[in-house]
Amino acid sequence: QVQLVQSGAEVKKPGASVKVSCKASGYTFTSYGISWVRQAPGQGLEWMGWISAYNGNTNYAQKLQGRVTMTTDTSTSTAYMELRSLRSDDTAVYYCARVGVSGWPKDYWGQGTLVTVSS
Amino acid sequence: EIVLTQSPATLSLSPGERATLSCRASQSVSSYLAWYQQKPGQAPRLLIYDASNRATGIPARFSGSGSGTDFTLTISSLEPEDFAVYYCQQRSNWMYTFGQGTKLEIK
Repeated sequence: QVQLVQSGAEVKKPGASVKVSCKASGYTFTSYGISWVRQAPGQGLEWMGWISAYNGNTNYAQKLQGRVTMTTDTSTSTAYMELRSLRSDDTAVYYCARVGVSGWPKDYWGQGTLVTVSS
Repeated sequence: EIVLTQSPATLSLSPGERATLSCRASQSVSSYLAWYQQKPGQAPRLLIYDASNRATGIPARFSGSGSGTDFTLTISSLEPEDFAVYYCQQRSNWMYTFGQGTKLEIK
């Protein structure tokens, strides 16, 4: 069965970076992409971007351009999302999700990773 | 950027009733509209993609319709487990924005 297992919760100080992992299993990793979505406490869903596991092509939300990098390691079927220059409003649960070749739709999701940014 | 507006913000209904949720796009997204369900403390779950296609394992009481700028998610007869928050998402020009959500609560 398809599973996406994310790394554990993180606490970071403002200005630091965080890197969240998402290990996939149960399907051919390079036939799909991985998208990242975040959700601030009590708020809605925010699309952050996605990466093709086939060729590494990425597509990021405009508001995060320059601060976010998404990568994959096909040898371990793992996707990574790094967010730099963290601010308090980056505090959120970060989800990875499997997507098709066009970055759509998000059919399987990870369990979420809470990232807390606090001084 | 395409903005998705969901209505109503909150919908109060009883089990067995029919639920109709709306999602309106600020410009045409063709049929590239998906619906997700999220329960407290859980990851979202894909219900509908490409406006009207049910995802794997989704009960037939969930249906989606619409194209262009106006879309609807219908739950024909509410079950207790259907009370949750519902989000729409669009895909257009390689950007994928979400609506703000509709909370479906028990009346």
